[in-house]
Amino acid sequence: GEDVEQSLFLSVREGDSSVINCTYTDSSSTYLYWYKQEPGAGLQLLTYIFSNMDMKQDQRLTVLLNKKDKHLSLRIADTQTGDSAIYFCAERNSGGYNKLIFGAGTRLAVHP
Amino acid sequence: DGGITQSPKYLFRKEGQNVTLSCEQNLNHDAMYWYRQDPGQGLRLIYYSQIVNDFQKGDIAEGYSVSREKKESFPLTVTSAQKNPTAFYLCASRRPANTGELFFGEGSRLTVL
Repeated sequence: GEDVEQSLFLSVREGDSSVINCTYTDSSSTYLYWYKQEPGAGLQLLTYIFSNMDMKQDQRLTVLLNKKDKHLSLRIADTQTGDSAIYFCAERNSGGYNKLIFGAGTRLAVHP
Repeated sequence: DGGITQSPKYLFRKEGQNVTLSCEQNLNHDAMYWYRQDPGQGLRLIYYSQIVNDFQKGDIAEGYSVSREKKESFPLTVTSAQKNPTAFYLCASRRPANTGELFFGEGSRLTVL
């Protein structure tokens, strides 16, 4: 079946790197996404990666994809207090209606 | 600016009442989605619509209904049959490209008293 799993909490010190991990089950996923949610708000797309890529970098964000292990990670360099939020990993369903399957979200807390 | 507008942001309902959550987009997207978010859980798909006048049930459609009479609008009705309606509801539309990313509204928080 389809499932996306993430650890629920991560705490880091300001200025350090954060690494948020995600595993998924659908080996035929074409795209994988990272979304950010601030308190009481909707989800904001941070980045995505196509399944034939191993890595994608966008400013402070680095996405690594290990398709063999079905493992996705998001690294945030120089983490700031403004990065405190919930981060969702999502995979695009291989079925006919482009459904996105979301993980439960990782709450990132950045402390001084 | 293009985007998705959800209203109301907060809504309180008595048990036994139906309520309708509004979702409007001006992104000219065909596909729209309703998700439910509960604490500690991922987003769960309630209903989706790929085109005007067509919609399909998602994973947790029981107790909900939708309509899609206009491209811009995809309202969700939470009926009295929904046993646990207190949640945060998110509407999204999908970019019509291979990347297919979703754009989300700011959400509506429904509390049943």
